[in-house]
Amino acid sequence: VQLVESGGGLVQPGKSLKLSCSASGFTFSSYGMHWIRQAPGKGLDWVAYISSSSGTVYADAVKGRFTISRDNAKNTLYLQLNSLKSEDTAIYYCARKGDPGYYFDYWGQGVMVTVSS
Amino acid sequence: DIQMTQSPSFLSASVGDRVTLSCKASQNINKYLAWYQQKLGEAPKLLIYNANSLQTGIPSRFSGSGSGTDFTLTISSLQPEDVATYFCLQHNSWWTFGGGTKLELK
Repeated sequence: VQLVESGGGLVQPGKSLKLSCSASGFTFSSYGMHWIRQAPGKGLDWVAYISSSSGTVYADAVKGRFTISRDNAKNTLYLQLNSLKSEDTAIYYCARKGDPGYYFDYWGQGVMVTVSS
Repeated sequence: DIQMTQSPSFLSASVGDRVTLSCKASQNINKYLAWYQQKLGEAPKLLIYNANSLQTGIPSRFSGSGSGTDFTLTISSLQPEDVATYFCLQHNSWWTFGGGTKLELK
């Protein structure tokens, strides 16, 4: 199992960014996927989840601003980040839903998003 | 929201020591707790799920116990490669992480 995030960078407040997570080594379409983030010097926070059937749920802090999606043909998970705030600055990780269970069994190495003017 | 509290925040131990890390939930999470190891610059690695189930490929010196609100991760004989930050995750109701325990060698 390998998960590789990309798309991070420096972005101004109020702007948008789209993160990608390329998956390999497993049948991507069969698994739910998560995004988790870690702000500098802070703990980990769950951000969003998409099921294998593309049902979605979000943390309150990002609801209405972030959108999780997936392209099973490309084995890729996405996170669209809109209306970015300074408090969204963090390392963003993608992770696979455990089987069975609702823990995360494999994680990517993360991608940095910095929101600053 | 369920809060997760880990202790200690920092631990220094010697090779061969038995090490015990704690994670407490603010309410009953049944058995739905996972433990992860994260080394600097690496992806987090799942060690234990459902409180006491060892993930495939993880050395048997790692074990987990507990249920309800109190959980423990034990390393039976600390090895140099175990230097890392360890954090817990409750997956009973949404998902909440503990603040982590940074483990170093004495």
